[in-house]
Amino acid sequence: EAGVTQSPTHLIKTRGQQATLRCSPISGHTSVYWYQQALGLGLQFLLWYDEGEERNRGNFPPRFSGRQFPNYSSELNVNALELEDSALYLCASSSLMAGDNEQFFGPGTRLTVL
Amino acid sequence: LAKTTQPISMDSYEGQEVNITCSHNNIATNDYITWYQQFPSQGPRFIIQGYKTKVTNEVASLFIPADRKSSTLSLPRVSLSDTAVYYCLVGDSPGGYQKVTFGIGTKLQVIP
Repeated sequence: EAGVTQSPTHLIKTRGQQATLRCSPISGHTSVYWYQQALGLGLQFLLWYDEGEERNRGNFPPRFSGRQFPNYSSELNVNALELEDSALYLCASSSLMAGDNEQFFGPGTRLTVL
Repeated sequence: LAKTTQPISMDSYEGQEVNITCSHNNIATNDYITWYQQFPSQGPRFIIQGYKTKVTNEVASLFIPADRKSSTLSLPRVSLSDTAVYYCLVGDSPGGYQKVTFGIGTKLQVIP
């Protein structure tokens, strides 16, 4: 069974640009989560999508946005990039039908803002 | 959402049992306790989840006292490959994890 995939693996942008990160969940999973992990910090929850809708949002500015497509894949967009947006962005998926809500993580996208 | 507190780092020799304790004083009645493991440059991986007493799987054991205000992840006979960051989360399932911050976690260093 294929795991969660993310693309690209690495992304280099300059301040003020926009970044688009993509995530494909495990087949059968309808929920997708996005996290930011800055160097030396824990995972900060960004967004949760389920069945195509945004269900919850972490404490991030509106320039962090995303969407979930009918096939449950998801996209995270970061507008007006700032230097402090440099981090590992992790996507996870889960099935709300499962009792434990275990999240399966992808390998992440390393975003570097210069 | 219940806040968790766990040690920032721990060292252990190979072959020893490692116990990592997490405090969650304001855990709610519906909250479960879940532990994840993260290796460098990888996403976290689910290890174990419990509600009360003891849970054991092929990887670890989770001990939860009656008051549920803390929990202890036990890793039997650690090896070098267990060097990782371990995160403790609390939240009701499903739904409670969605706004949870994993925190810094506990960095376990296994020494040969």
